[in-house]
Amino acid sequence: RKEVEQDPGPFNVPEGATVAFNCTYSNSASQSFFWYRQDCRKEPKLLMSVYSSGNEDGRFTAQLNRASQYISLLIRDSKLSDSATYLCVVNRAGNNRKLIWGLGTSLAVNP
Amino acid sequence: NAGVTQTPKFQVLKTGQSMTLQCAQDMNHNSMYWYRQDPGMGLRLIYYSASEGTTDKGEVPNGYNVSRLNKREFSLRLESAAPSQTSVYFCASSLTGTGGHEQFFGPGTRLTVL
Repeated sequence: RKEVEQDPGPFNVPEGATVAFNCTYSNSASQSFFWYRQDCRKEPKLLMSVYSSGNEDGRFTAQLNRASQYISLLIRDSKLSDSATYLCVVNRAGNNRKLIWGLGTSLAVNP
Repeated sequence: NAGVTQTPKFQVLKTGQSMTLQCAQDMNHNSMYWYRQDPGMGLRLIYYSASEGTTDKGEVPNGYNVSRLNKREFSLRLESAAPSQTSVYFCASSLTGTGGHEQFFGPGTRLTVL
């Protein structure tokens, strides 16, 4: 089993839709959690960190469920510009050498 | 403020050739990283430098060497390129390597080894 697993998609949704991605991780010692966004043929960029209490940034909401070992990302009111691959990232040991990257979930928002 | 810059953007090598990928950051970050990204494999850490003067192996270091030239620059060298090293290479930096800080990435180098 991979340490970090994501549904690869692609998710095809119309503009204005709400879409949710889940990510599961296998190591219960994991300490920090992130969502990065990667546009086609570009570098990854941090979208948001995921905190135990959950956090929201505009149309984006991230949740962490430690008991079930999964992280979620909710995007409300999808825009065309949200089309990208969303990478789930888990830090195993409080050290950036131990970042485990998911393969990503591809989102296409259609007009 | 350019962030993280990488050169070259594209490179084609023949098997056995050597080359150095250059990376520089202007954010005064302490930690720098080299990753490779392959289809179906995700991002994998090749080497890591927690601070100037230190380097450490990551998940896939074989066939690579690195140099942390100074706080700004971190280079990756392929001594004898192999087709298995065909990949997209990303350099990244973060304020520290403690795990809680965002990593900023360069635009990547697309390397093909024939």
